[in-house]
Amino acid sequence: DSGVTQTPKHLITATGQRVTLRCSPRSGDLSVYWYQQSLDQGLQFLIQYYNGEERAKGNILERFSAQQFPDLHSELNLSSLELGDSALYFCASSVEGAPVYGYTFGSGTRLTVV
Amino acid sequence: SQQGEEDPQALSIQEGENATMNCSYKTSINNLQWYRQNSGRGLVHLILIRSNEREKHSGRLRVTLDTSKKSSSLLITASRAADTASYFCATDAYGGSQGNLIFGKGTKLSVKP
Repeated sequence: DSGVTQTPKHLITATGQRVTLRCSPRSGDLSVYWYQQSLDQGLQFLIQYYNGEERAKGNILERFSAQQFPDLHSELNLSSLELGDSALYFCASSVEGAPVYGYTFGSGTRLTVV
Repeated sequence: SQQGEEDPQALSIQEGENATMNCSYKTSINNLQWYRQNSGRGLVHLILIRSNEREKHSGRLRVTLDTSKKSSSLLITASRAADTASYFCATDAYGGSQGNLIFGKGTKLSVKP
C-alpha cells in the first residue's frame, strides 16, 4: 500500500456518460497530480493541485475537470466520454509543489468506455 | 509532448545478468527520476538524481546523469525475475518552472529465470 488511495479500481461506462475518479493523497502530501496512461500515448500529465489550488495544467481535455478539496482529496471528472478515453488514470502525490522529491502513485483506476 | 525518451523500448535478459536502460531528455532539468511499473499497477519511485550529481547508487541500482548530453542511464545489476517491469525516467518540466514531472514511454524489461 503506497498510501495514495484511488477509487474505484475499475470502471466500465458507455460513451457520452460522465464519471468521477477519486484520489486521497498520502498523509502529509499537499500536491496531487493526475496522469492518464494509454498504450499509444504513454503517461500523460493532466493536471496538478497544490493545497487546494491549481498549480499546473497539461494535456487535459476541456471535457475533463478536477478539483482538490479542503481535506486535500481530489476528484477528476470526465464527461461526454469517448472510446478513446479508455485508459488507466493515476493519481500521485508529493509533499512539495515542485518535483523536488519522488511522487507516490496510487494503483490507478482502469476506465473502459464501451 | 515527451521530455524523456527511454532506450531500448524493450529488453530481455537472463536472471543474473545486468540490465542497462537509457534516457534522453530535451530541456534543462533540476533532477531526473526513475520509476518502475509492474504490469497494470501504479508506478514506484526508485531513485532521484539531481542535476549537480553524476552518479547515484541504491542497492542493485546505479544511475548516472550527463547533463551535457542530456542523458541518464539506469543499471540494474544481478537482475532477478522480480525485476521484470517497465522502467520510466521522468524529469521536472521546463527545468522546474512547473510543478510536474514529464515521463518517457518506458523500457519494458523482461528477466527470464
